[in-house]
Amino acid sequence: NAGVTQTPKFRILKIGQSMTLQCTQDMNHNYMYWYRQDPGMGLKLIYYSVGAGITDKGEVPNGYNVSRSTTEDFPLRLELAAPSQTSVYFCASSYSSPGELFFGEGSRLTVL
Amino acid sequence: DQQVKQNSPSLSVQEGRISILNCDYTNSMFDYFLWYKKYPAEGPTFLISISSIKDKNEDGRFTVFLNKSAKHLSLHIVPSQPGDSAVYFCAATAAGGTSYGKLTFGQGTILTVHP
Repeated sequence: NAGVTQTPKFRILKIGQSMTLQCTQDMNHNYMYWYRQDPGMGLKLIYYSVGAGITDKGEVPNGYNVSRSTTEDFPLRLELAAPSQTSVYFCASSYSSPGELFFGEGSRLTVL
Repeated sequence: DQQVKQNSPSLSVQEGRISILNCDYTNSMFDYFLWYKKYPAEGPTFLISISSIKDKNEDGRFTVFLNKSAKHLSLHIVPSQPGDSAVYFCAATAAGGTSYGKLTFGQGTILTVHP
């Protein structure tokens, strides 16, 4: 049982480039989330989804986009990367609300 | 506006003693609280949770206490072990309505347990 899988684990981007962070879960969870963690800070919610085809903004959505075409996948798109997007990104899923969130191992992104 | 605060960035404890990690919240809508543990280069993993209808929840060496009037919760680890050394995050959510399980996290407390 893989749980929540994120790719890539590490990436360096140049300012203005775009990329997609992939997230897949195999637990048939309806709820999925993207968080970012900056050094010395807690996790902040970027976007979330309550099911296929339904997404909504979290606390820090600017500069990002998401889609949810299937229950399993919840990719995060960064358009026009900026140094402020240097962070560690975590994807998570949950079976119920409220409930325990299961996190992926994280994707460390550096924008230079 | 930091709705969930962990005011101690770090805590150092001797093996076998009690570790007490604290968390305060300001949003009175929060009624479900969780603690997560995070090792370097890994994602957070769930430790224990508590609903606002309770004031205590235990799971083995881990106990969470909730004081609703003070908007304060704490995690007790007894006895502490070197393998408990990690970053601990407090998180909160509102169980009903349109919360959709979204968690608001504190900044984390680095726990170091010395042998």
